[in-house]
Amino acid sequence: ETGVTQTPRHLVMGMTNKKSLKCEQHLGHNAMYWYKQSAKKPLELMFVYNFKEQTENNSVPSRFSPECPNSSHLFLHLHTLQPEDSALYLCASSHDSSSGANVLTFGAGSRLTVL
Amino acid sequence: KNQVEQSPQSLIILEGKNCTLQCNYTVSPFSNLRWYKQDTGRGPVSLTIMTFSENTKSNGRYTATLDADTKQSSLHITASQLSDSASYICVVSAKAGTALIFGKGTTLSVSS
Repeated sequence: ETGVTQTPRHLVMGMTNKKSLKCEQHLGHNAMYWYKQSAKKPLELMFVYNFKEQTENNSVPSRFSPECPNSSHLFLHLHTLQPEDSALYLCASSHDSSSGANVLTFGAGSRLTVL
Repeated sequence: KNQVEQSPQSLIILEGKNCTLQCNYTVSPFSNLRWYKQDTGRGPVSLTIMTFSENTKSNGRYTATLDADTKQSSLHITASQLSDSASYICVVSAKAGTALIFGKGTTLSVSS
């Protein structure tokens, strides 16, 4: 385990469902991230939270809604998704997102399939 | 445009052999370059991070090199093992801001 735990590991949902992905880190980090990983494509940054404040929203559709109640927990709420949203969603944490030298620690990911 | 290109896209080698993975980038101004290993079904794990002034950095059987002048990096794996089978991702950080630019990765398969 890396210290970043994601649940569920696998999720299948219909386009009209509402579900949430959860991420928890036990590393004492202050920054948390959501990335989308699709086949044959580089990781795409979705959201960044630094000290519980959202510092980046990388033009993500509103059907993805992040929530960061504290520095240790991060959620990604999903609703009315499209089949092209099927991907591996990776959570990561780091000491401080404002530092260019910070190293990200990733969770194992949540594999999402939208039918 | 900031980009990171990796080659080859995939590679198959026999156990015990060495291999080298390549990363070319156009990110400017440059801050640092990282190599991550991603096992199937897992998240990426950091192998090395190098700044502008570092030419070589090793982590066990993994050795990364950086040529900031030509904007190239390589990851050399010595005496490969079956457990080295994974995707290897090159990530470059720009000096201004915190954006990380990811490559698509090289998929390495080590067979016995």
